Amino acid sequence: GQNIDQPTEMTATEGAIVQINCTYQTSGFNGLFWYQQHAGEAPTFLSYNVLDGLEEKGRFSSFLSRSKGYSYLLLKELQMKDSASYLCAVRDHGDSSASKIIFGSGTRLSIRP
Amino acid sequence: GAGVSQSPSNKVTEKGKDVELRCDPISGHTALYWYRQSLGQGLEFLIYFQGNSAPDKSGLPSDRFSAERTGGSVSTLTIQRTQQEDSAVYLCASSPGQGVDEQYFGPGTRLTVT
Repeated sequence: GQNIDQPTEMTATEGAIVQINCTYQTSGFNGLFWYQQHAGEAPTFLSYNVLDGLEEKGRFSSFLSRSKGYSYLLLKELQMKDSASYLCAVRDHGDSSASKIIFGSGTRLSIRP
Repeated sequence: GAGVSQSPSNKVTEKGKDVELRCDPISGHTALYWYRQSLGQGLEFLIYFQGNSAPDKSGLPSDRFSAERTGGSVSTLTIQRTQQEDSAVYLCASSPGQGVDEQYFGPGTRLTVT
């Protein structure tokens, strides 16, 4: 089976840096995604990691350690519009050759002025 | 180009009735997913279609739930004999089926069972 854990809520200050952690257990890991979801809207893709290391994309970076089953999303120079839920998702082969994508419960990030 | 579309956007139904939710994926995307999201919660995987392969139905919560994907494109999620606990936003996503294969989500259908 699959298990994905991330903190339920976090708060950070505008202009600061925040790190959102995600740990996972899967039977056939094949990539990890981070999505952003504003309240009342659909999730949108932020980043993808399949190899160990850091992927940087503007103010957002994502890190993966496959041996530890661990990822984090790093948000720099926080802006008020970054207030949203951040969803960690894992692509898992499971028992079949096809891969499905399983989501964690999401981390609700609040940015204060 | 056009994104993923879902219909209806909102559906209110009485307990015990059947409902059909529709998803039009992005043209050319071979993978299609259905998820359910209750208020303030994460996405619960329901079912996954990839090309002509047999769908992965491992997330369907009961035999009242079923889904079809006709011609490798449009998908319909059917819930029979709806219950109040079925109330949620039902999200559909499609992906290219290759490469990074990130998902593109539709706006969702908000289902309320009274």
